Amino acid sequence: EDQVTQSPEALRLQEGESSSLNCSYTVSGLRGLFWYRQDPGKGPEFLFTLYSAGEEKEKERLKATLTKKESFLHITAPKPEDSATYLCAGGYYETSGSRLTFGEGTQLTVNP
Amino acid sequence: DTEVTQTPKHLVMGMTNKKSLKCEQHMGHRAMYWYKQKAKKPPELMFVYSYEKLSINESVPSRFSPECPNSSLLNLHLHALQPEDSALYLCASSRSGTGSYEQYFGPGTRLTVT
Repeated sequence: EDQVTQSPEALRLQEGESSSLNCSYTVSGLRGLFWYRQDPGKGPEFLFTLYSAGEEKEKERLKATLTKKESFLHITAPKPEDSATYLCAGGYYETSGSRLTFGEGTQLTVNP
Repeated sequence: DTEVTQTPKHLVMGMTNKKSLKCEQHMGHRAMYWYKQKAKKPPELMFVYSYEKLSINESVPSRFSPECPNSSLLNLHLHALQPEDSALYLCASSRSGTGSYEQYFGPGTRLTVT
């Protein structure tokens, strides 16, 4: 069974305090690793896709990296508006179609 | 434009009602998805349509009936729901092919079953 595990469950940071979120995943059959941001009561917002170990992508204060077993979302000098739940998802392809397997998410709170 | 729209935003229905959720995208995506999300949990896959054909049904109860009238539209017909079906229902779309591609989500419909 495909598994994606995120840690920590919750993270509180002070504004400007950099940190990283972790996502580990089942390697077999993985076709892509996806990061989303979700604000309360809204749909997930796509952030990054990573396909190969060693790949890195950046957007503003966020940088996503991928190794053979896990992915990290690095947040540099966060601001209160970065507060949200960050979801990691493994993309797996089957003959019936493509699916995303989500982790439980990391709830990030950035205090001013 | 990466917008997926969903209507209605909120829906309250009784257990004997019949209602429908609607989803639309104009990105040319040929894969569309329905998810259910409970509070503080990740989205849970319900159905996948690929090229307007149902390709994945995650053993969803028959009181949920999906429909894909064309490549841009996705409906979810609801009938005789239970209170535990109250949740945020999310629609998503993506490219389709022999790979895995980023899915773009709509804002969701907040469903309350009374």
